[in-house]
Amino acid sequence: AQSVTQLDSHVSVSEGTPVLLRCNYSSSYSPSLFWYVQHPNKGLQLLLKYTSAATLVKGINGFEAEFKKSETSFHLTKPSAHMSDAAEYFCVVSLPGDSWGKLQFGAGTQVVVTP
Amino acid sequence: DAGVIQSPRHEVTEMGQEVTLRCKPISGHDYLFWYRQTMMRGLELLIYFNNNVPIDDSGMPEDRFSAKMPNASFSTLKIQPSEPRDSAVYFCASSPTVRRAFFGQGTRLTVV
Repeated sequence: AQSVTQLDSHVSVSEGTPVLLRCNYSSSYSPSLFWYVQHPNKGLQLLLKYTSAATLVKGINGFEAEFKKSETSFHLTKPSAHMSDAAEYFCVVSLPGDSWGKLQFGAGTQVVVTP
Repeated sequence: DAGVIQSPRHEVTEMGQEVTLRCKPISGHDYLFWYRQTMMRGLELLIYFNNNVPIDDSGMPEDRFSAKMPNASFSTLKIQPSEPRDSAVYFCASSPTVRRAFFGQGTRLTVV
């Protein structure tokens, strides 16, 4: 069985301050992990992915995430938030084999950026 | 490549009407997925295809929902008859054999 938990449903940050979006997963196998972003009225865009290579993954728009197996976490961070980062972010888990198609989405974290 | 293309972008229909959502995957991708996004349930996988063959449709909510993939470049998701609780954003995604999904921009369906 697998599941993914995003620990915060809403995060509010000031422009220029760090952003931290928390994600924990449970999986019996080595998962692939992704972060997707969804801006209002737009589709899902891949920010970054972890597929058993380097544990620190750099993505687009200055985001990065670190895979910590001991903590079963894959938290997303950005050193300095920008107004354009206001969106909803999804942590996603994928398992190998036949269950590949069943991407497991977290509930999402809504990010608000204030001036 | 233009990415995954979905049409229409927005659809408003009356309860009881048939609704057809369309998807053109990225050329060369072997997998195609249909997802539904609602406030209550988040993102749910409805069905996915591999090489045009439906592999897992366990996420399809009811018999009112059906999906087809007649060829590698086209898929449809049909709801007949539609109900207000079907109102959601429906996403199509495609993927090559490597585990990564490319999403379309979604179709926002409103059933009144």
